[in-house]
Amino acid sequence: EVQLVESGGGLVQPGESLRLSCAGSGFNVNVNFMSWVRQAPGKGLEWVALIYSGGGMYYADSVKGRFIIFRDDSKNTVYLQMNSLRVEDTGLYYCATPVNGKDAFDMWGQGTMVTVSS
Amino acid sequence: SYVLTQPPSVSVPPGETAGISCGGNNVGSKSVHWYQQRPGQAPVLVIYYDRDRPSGIPERFSGSNSGNMATLTISRVEAGDEADYYCQVWDTSTTYGAVFGGGTKLTVL
Repeated sequence: EVQLVESGGGLVQPGESLRLSCAGSGFNVNVNFMSWVRQAPGKGLEWVALIYSGGGMYYADSVKGRFIIFRDDSKNTVYLQMNSLRVEDTGLYYCATPVNGKDAFDMWGQGTMVTVSS
Repeated sequence: SYVLTQPPSVSVPPGETAGISCGGNNVGSKSVHWYQQRPGQAPVLVIYYDRDRPSGIPERFSGSNSGNMATLTISRVEAGDEADYYCQVWDTSTTYGAVFGGGTKLTVL
């Protein structure tokens, strides 16, 4: 079955770090590009970061300099290292990818919740 | 950075047609994708490249894009279509990345 499974979310205090994982199955995560998209409670979707098959990385201005996206091809997994977390980083974090060669997100994981609170 | 503007809510009776707009500066020059998100679920792609439907999406879902406005049209609306809908484009200017509209809550009366 083709799917994405996120993990690693939890409750942390402001200023702390967290690493999210997104494991792919049924396809290779290094073929096209992988993205993280987050959703604050009761709010809309916000794109966070992207990594291309060639390794190029892009970030939303809101996380630039604090978050790092990287990939382990041997584990078919993409990660989001989140440093210097802020209260406004709280939300459900999805990984998403275009499985069918488009540049639209036609596959999403179920999401992992990150709560930043003191 | 690029901004997409959607109405917060749209309400239609069952069997009618719902139109959800997505406004952006010269958005007609970009490819627009649309996602449906039901409560407690991950988003699902319903329209890509302005007007194409992924397999499994009913023909009742259609899209258009021209000038400063893209539109998602849902014909013969059903109770199961009640959800939040988001448009999305790629911003290839100085701040490269995906841009989502603020989302529209479709209520089936």
